[in-house]
Amino acid sequence: SQTIHQWPATLVQPVGSPLSLECTVEGTSNPNLYWYRQAAGRGLQLLFYSVGIGQISSEVPQNLSASRPQDRQFILSSKKLLLSDSGFYLCAWRKVRGDGYTFGSGTRLTVV
Amino acid sequence: SQQGEEDPQALSIQEGENATMNCSYKTSINNLQWYRQNSGRGLVHLILIRSNEREKHSGRLRVTLDTSKKSSSLLITASRAADTASYFCATDPNTGGFKTIFGAGTRLFVKA
Repeated sequence: SQTIHQWPATLVQPVGSPLSLECTVEGTSNPNLYWYRQAAGRGLQLLFYSVGIGQISSEVPQNLSASRPQDRQFILSSKKLLLSDSGFYLCAWRKVRGDGYTFGSGTRLTVV
Repeated sequence: SQQGEEDPQALSIQEGENATMNCSYKTSINNLQWYRQNSGRGLVHLILIRSNEREKHSGRLRVTLDTSKKSSSLLITASRAADTASYFCATDPNTGGFKTIFGAGTRLFVKA
């Protein structure tokens, strides 16, 4: 069966520090991978998606970046965090466009 | 207003009652999905209904889709305290892109 792992679960980082959130998927190949951010009490905002290794599409211009170094690995990064980067970050995958998503358990990021 | 808006924003019912949540959207869609999110956790996929379907069931869940009114409803029958969560609808627009539009969610509280 397919599983998705996302870590860490919580993170408190100072302003200006770097960020690396990792997500891996098991039990499938060539998944479509996504990073979403959720503000408190709100819906999900798409940040990045990837349909293949090295292929990254950005939906929101900001100081975050994403990379897909392996087929089932998706990384969200920042060189210098801002206070506004605080939020709940969710990794997700689906096999093809039009399928439902499987979400990771999320990372609560607090920038102080 | 945003595509994928849930109504009501919050709903409080007694255990054993039925809960109905509605979702409206603006553009033509390929499919509409419903998700549940427990506090501080990732989203869990409940049901996906395609644009050529009108009704779908899964256990105590019933989803309807009316493409002429651009609306969907999620019915949870015989609710339980464990159904307490936020429920989100999401749509894949019929535009060929990879962006799924999520609503802000309905917060359901089921009192034991």
